[in-house]
Amino acid sequence: QVQLQESGPGLVKASQTLSLSCTVSGASVSNGGYYWSWIRQHPGKGLEWIGYIYDSGSTYYNPSLESRATISADTSKNQFSLKLNSVTAADTAVYYCARAHCSSISCYIGDWGQGTLVTVSS
Amino acid sequence: QSALTQPPSVSGSPGQSVTISCTGTSSDVGDYNRFSWYQQPPGTAPKLMIYEVSNRPSGVPDRFSGSKSGNTASLTISGLQAEDEADYYCSLHTSSSTVIFGGGTKVTVL
Repeated sequence: QVQLQESGPGLVKASQTLSLSCTVSGASVSNGGYYWSWIRQHPGKGLEWIGYIYDSGSTYYNPSLESRATISADTSKNQFSLKLNSVTAADTAVYYCARAHCSSISCYIGDWGQGTLVTVSS
Repeated sequence: QSALTQPPSVSGSPGQSVTISCTGTSSDVGDYNRFSWYQQPPGTAPKLMIYEVSNRPSGVPDRFSGSKSGNTASLTISGLQAEDEADYYCSLHTSSSTVIFGGGTKVTVL
């Protein structure tokens, strides 16, 4: 049973960099076949995919966030991370880490972390 | 970039069936089985309910079913129960290897 746990500051100042980590237990981030993902949800709004990393280094991002987002993996800690730079109040959201099962014909998120609220302050 | 459109809300009485539609705007939707559905009760993380259009993960009740016709995927909840009250999101894996979500549908059990 895989478990994912987000960690990081709950408050970030505007213009600075949001940094979150996701610790994975019950699975290895270096195993192929899984895409380690970040998704966010603005308060009272829907889900927004940020991006994912697979094969310990290949990444895809939401085109609207690609210029500010970086996802990386630390296989020694069995973690993957999100950095989002130049944040504004519009980046205030609950951030989820998740494990996606992806192939050439489908991609679905089977396992989710509990989510962590990040508030951007001015 | 593709977009997925869902109705903001649907409702039904216990025991009834409700169907949530998810309509895509690009040719991605018609190809392969790229759709999945997620349930999110208030204050909780989303949960996978349907993958590859119509497959249910282990533990998901069989009253949840998925289908697709043309550019529209659908989630049907048969025999609606009070515990089914939640937000539901469709998702599509695009041919560009990105993921998009629909805007979400609130299901209310009357």
